[in-house]
Amino acid sequence: QKEVEQNSGPLSVPEGAIASLNCTYSDRGSQSFFWYRQYSGKSPELIMFIYSNGDKEDGRFTAQLNKASQYVSLLIRDSQPSDSATYLCAVNMKSNYQLIWGAGTKLIIKP
Amino acid sequence: DTEVTQTPKHLVMGMTNKKSLKCEQHMGHRAMYWYKQKAKKPPELMFVYSYEKLSINESVPSRFSPECPNSSLLNLHLHALQPEDSALYLCASSQTGTKDEQYFGPGTRLTVT
Repeated sequence: QKEVEQNSGPLSVPEGAIASLNCTYSDRGSQSFFWYRQYSGKSPELIMFIYSNGDKEDGRFTAQLNKASQYVSLLIRDSQPSDSATYLCAVNMKSNYQLIWGAGTKLIIKP
Repeated sequence: DTEVTQTPKHLVMGMTNKKSLKCEQHMGHRAMYWYKQKAKKPPELMFVYSYEKLSINESVPSRFSPECPNSSLLNLHLHALQPEDSALYLCASSQTGTKDEQYFGPGTRLTVT
């Protein structure tokens, strides 16, 4: 079992709809959870971080964390073509305090 | 201001060359990182500096040599690289350590010929 798992996609979503990206992790003691957006050829850009169970909203983005089920999600409301990118989930593992990355989900927003 | 700068943007070097990558942040962060990223893969951690001391070295070959001259600067010295070392090299920083959110620079695209 990989430590951080994401569906590689591509996930295709119509413009204006909600895009839902999921990530599961193996270390139950993990404490910090991050979502990065990466456009092709560019560096990762931090878009959300969450430390506590529940939802955290920032504009069109909502991060959801469920530690009991060991998953973290990212919702993008009113999806725009400019949201088309690879979304990377990263989890800080309690076991070694290192940031473990998922393989990324490619999101395509269709106009 | 959440900015990390990296120079150069692009670098082409031969296998016998010596070159350096530079990274700078002015956010007062005390942890800095070097990552290597290949196409369609997530970033791969190479080195972590915490309070200007090397705290993590992920078994990186000795042809990569990091240096942290002060709390704002991070260098990566390159020598005798191989073509398979061609990748995007990313610098990042965070407040104190790996539990904190990391902010990335734009990266250096390295090609080894």
